[in-house]
Amino acid sequence: DAKTTQPPSMDCAEGRAANLPCNHSTISGNEYVYWYRQIHSQGPQYIIHGLKNNETNEMASLIITEDRKSSTLILPHATLRDTAVYYCIVRVPYSGGGADGLTFGKGTHLIIQP
Amino acid sequence: DGGITQSPKYLFRKEGQNVTLSCEQNLNHDAMYWYRQDPGQGLRLIYYSQIVNDFQKGDIAEGYSVSREKKESFPLTVTSAQKNPTAFYLCASRDLGETGELFFGEGSRLTVL
Repeated sequence: DAKTTQPPSMDCAEGRAANLPCNHSTISGNEYVYWYRQIHSQGPQYIIHGLKNNETNEMASLIITEDRKSSTLILPHATLRDTAVYYCIVRVPYSGGGADGLTFGKGTHLIIQP
Repeated sequence: DGGITQSPKYLFRKEGQNVTLSCEQNLNHDAMYWYRQDPGQGLRLIYYSQIVNDFQKGDIAEGYSVSREKKESFPLTVTSAQKNPTAFYLCASRDLGETGELFFGEGSRLTVL
């Protein structure tokens, strides 16, 4: 699975859009980009994933650049409850057998300021 | 409600004792995973299982053991051979579809005194 690079921390004002960047310059053609977040002392929570096209759900939007070497997770109206560590992960789709299990790096600690 | 239940949430043990952490899921997921998290760090994979009665070592399996006798259960034993067992342990499960996302439990915090 390709390696990702994220800033260790970011601040964002409450009510503003939080834009979290992720670099994955070695991503291969069939690797998906996943985002999870972890609120302090809880289990991580899935947010969104995508392959090439931009994706949106009730939690966030995922913007993937045309060359797929980077992506941005957007929380459109950040609230204090969005303060968490956000993990960007890339991996190939499961195809049966072989190694499994996502690798979580240190992620970005997003702090929403009141 | 469907989900993953880990127990206990907090556990204290003396050095040299084996400890078993419970993980149960009612999501009918085939695959289950155990991760370890140390303060300020990401998650590291200990063991995973894609089918009943079968499991594979992850990146840091030494000092740990697991079993998968039932689809819904994947207990983790932290043995006395684990050098630094104090950590936050997370269990997860997922469908084995191409892009099935992971569902996590709330975690078990083990402190060895």
